Parts: sequence; structure tokens; C-alpha cells
Amino acid sequence: EDQVTQSPEALRLQEGESSSLNCSYTVSGLRGLFWYRQDPGKGPEFLFTLYSAGEEKEKERLKATLTKKESFLHITAPKPEDSATYLCAVQATDSWGKLQFGAGTQVVVTP
Amino acid sequence: GAGVSQSPSNKVTEKGKDVELRCDPISGHTALYWYRQSLGQGLEFLIYFQGNSAPDKSGLPSDRFSAERTGGSVSTLTIQRTQQEDSAVYLCASSLAAGLNTEAFFGQGTRLTVV
Repeated sequence: EDQVTQSPEALRLQEGESSSLNCSYTVSGLRGLFWYRQDPGKGPEFLFTLYSAGEEKEKERLKATLTKKESFLHITAPKPEDSATYLCAVQATDSWGKLQFGAGTQVVVTP
Repeated sequence: GAGVSQSPSNKVTEKGKDVELRCDPISGHTALYWYRQSLGQGLEFLIYFQGNSAPDKSGLPSDRFSAERTGGSVSTLTIQRTQQEDSAVYLCASSLAAGLNTEAFFGQGTRLTVV
């Protein structure tokens, strides 16, 4: 069974204090790994898709990387507006539409 | 509209009543998904539609849950004889196509409370 585990559950950062979020996954075959950001009361907002080990993608202060067993979301010099819950999801090769989500990491960035 | 639209945004219903949740996907998106998010939990897959293909219903938790998609556009998720454990945020998403690694865009969700 496909599984996605995110750590830590919660992270409190000072503005400018860089950190990383972890997403460990077990899947029969990986079609893609997705990162989303979710603000309170809103639906998830797409950030990145990673397809193969070694791949990296960047967007502003966020950088996502992928290995065969896990993905990291690095937040460089975060700002208060980066406060959100970050969700990781995998899509298996035998699953054409289903995304398996982790429980998320809640990030709070204080000024 | 430009994004995925869901209605109502909030719904309070009595235990045992039926509810219908509506999703209007992004125009031109052939794939549509329903997920459920309980308090403090990750998103739980319910069902997805891809064009005219038979939907993947493998995530529906019981036969009280059903969904349809009319004309390849608007979708309705129906929960019959609601129970308190059905209380959650129901999220709809759409993408250009399923299985092609295209990103799914989510609506703002319907918060369902069963009292």
C-alpha cells in the first residue's frame, strides 16, 4: 500500500531562519511527487511536481528535491507570508488519478 | 470563473439527512477529483472522473456516498443518511487530464458539519 509520511508535524521558524521539510514515501512505482501549500480555510495550492530521483525545482524561497525514498522542501530565509501547511502527495504508476497525501507540515514564520 | 468553484462553502445538516455538494471545474479540464479532509488529517481520495471513462470510485468510504459528473463538467457529490463521522471539508479539484502528471487545481472546499 502506498504511504506518505511528512515530518515534522509542525515547525516554528524565525524570519530568515532556513529549514527543510521531509516527505518519505513508499509506492510501487512513482509517477510523480507533488508539493502543495494550504492556507487556513482554503484549498491546496500547487507548488511543484517532481518525476525522478535527482530532480530539483525552485520557486522564490522554496526548493524541492527528490530521491528514491523521500523528498525535501527547503525554505530559504522564510518570511511570515510563507506560513502555511505544506502537503506532499505521490501518484503511483498504477494509479491514473489518485494522489496519496501526507498529513502535512504546519509552518509558522514569526517576524 | 478562473478557478474551481465549490458550493456551498459551508453546510450544516442533521444526522440522517442527505446532502449534495457541487463542484464546477476549470473550463477545459477533463479530469475531476473529490477529496475529503478531516480535522488534522491529510487529504483522503474519494473518487475521480476522466472524460467519458468509468469513474474510479475506489476511495468512497461507503455506499452512502455517490458522485456524478454531468456533461463532462459539473460534478455533484451526494452523501445519503449523513453520520457525524462524515463531518469534514470536501475538496474538489480538476486538471487538464489524469495520469499525465498535470497539476490538480483545488477549490476552496465545502465544510460539512453533521449535528
